Amino acid sequence: QVQLQQSGPGLVKPSQTLSLTCGISGDSVSSNSAAWNWIRQSPSRGLEWLGKTYYRSKWYNDYAVSVKSRITINPDTSKNQFSLHLNSVTPEDTAVYYCARSTSEITFHSWGQGTLVTVSS
Amino acid sequence: DIQMTQSPSTLSASVGDRVTITCRASQSISNWLAWYQQKPGKAPKLLIYKASSLESGVPSRFSGSGSGTEFTLTISSLQPDDFATYYCQQYSSYRTFGQGTKVEIK
Repeated sequence: QVQLQQSGPGLVKPSQTLSLTCGISGDSVSSNSAAWNWIRQSPSRGLEWLGKTYYRSKWYNDYAVSVKSRITINPDTSKNQFSLHLNSVTPEDTAVYYCARSTSEITFHSWGQGTLVTVSS
Repeated sequence: DIQMTQSPSTLSASVGDRVTITCRASQSISNWLAWYQQKPGKAPKLLIYKASSLESGVPSRFSGSGSGTEFTLTISSLQPDDFATYYCQQYSSYRTFGQGTKVEIK
């Protein structure tokens, strides 16, 4: 049973960087069959996939076009976790952020608890 | 980007009703489609993957069908625990979600 535990601040100032971490239990961030994703949800944008990191003999990342210039997702093998960094945030980035595990066949079947991040001065 | 369109946006139903939600993709996604249930303040819960495969532990009253661009989620007999918002999601190219269908008590 894979469990994901999110951590990070709930308030970020405009133009700064939003950073969240997702701790993994029951699997490895270096798994050759899983991918590790960030998704956000807001009333204006609905559910929006942001990107993923995954290991297939080497590390790969895929990012949504909408945030590609501002996003980084990094694995941390020493702590078995992965992180989201979204820079130059605006109030439009205010949302509940989720981490999620996926596989090629089954998509998002394990989710973190969600973190409400508000972008405000 | 592949766009996903769900209908209806809101559905009023009673316990015991048969409920059907439709999801249309802007281009063919084969059977790379999932359905989720979300309740307020909670993360989405996977119900169906690959259009018609039931996730482990999900009641058999939930079923999915379709391929290409047209898909349906059916709840054969609506139960009190099923009042929630349902989302479809394609995973053929990147990942996109439908806008959601809220199932409310009639």
